[in-house]
Amino acid sequence: DVLMTQTPVSLPVSLGGHVSISCRSSQSLVHSDGNTYLHWYLQRPGQSPQLLIYRVSNRFSGVPDRFSGSGSGTDFTLKISRVEPEDLGVYYCLQSTHFPYTFGAGTKLELK
Amino acid sequence: EVKLQQSGDELVRPGASVKMSCKASGYIFTDYGIHWVKQSPGQGLEWIGTIIPVIDITSYNQKFRGKATLTADQSSNTAYMELSRLTSEDSAVYYCARRSNYGGYYFDYWGQGVMVTVSS
Repeated sequence: DVLMTQTPVSLPVSLGGHVSISCRSSQSLVHSDGNTYLHWYLQRPGQSPQLLIYRVSNRFSGVPDRFSGSGSGTDFTLKISRVEPEDLGVYYCLQSTHFPYTFGAGTKLELK
Repeated sequence: EVKLQQSGDELVRPGASVKMSCKASGYIFTDYGIHWVKQSPGQGLEWIGTIIPVIDITSYNQKFRGKATLTADQSSNTAYMELSRLTSEDSAVYYCARRSNYGGYYFDYWGQGVMVTVSS
């Protein structure tokens, strides 16, 4: 199985601040069709995960442009600028290039 | 409005089975596959498997083969997951999520989750 390693585990932030979350995979996430199926989710407390970024860098409908994704191959980053209260929660990366699909262990974004 | 409405929380005895549902609305059911994800208490997310209702094909994470059985009913736009021979390790929240059959390979909408508690 593809191991997804997220860092950091916990990320204290001040409102209005900027943060980056890293997600590294144990093998390349480039699919045979040429696409890279790496996605980012936010899970707020008591809620289901919600899609933020799909295929590395595409913002899902309604996601503010404060969120941006980048990366290639095995190394990916989610950046959040001007952090707002609704951004707090646990962020997960998901790879769907290889079966079985696998998630990172999560990064908890919390207030300093 | 796209919605995946899951059935209610379950308290089940060890060794028993449980079957949960995921009713889809607001989109063409057969244009999407339904995936299932496990979240153990305080833990991360594990992909269990998927069913593609339009062709009635299933694919499982090897870890859950024999534990989970996925089915779907096109007439009611509902997907089901049955978990068998339950142990305390199966206590978790289980989510359904949809994924387009036409590329993307991401889960864009999720159900609210079903909490399964295995206890005598």
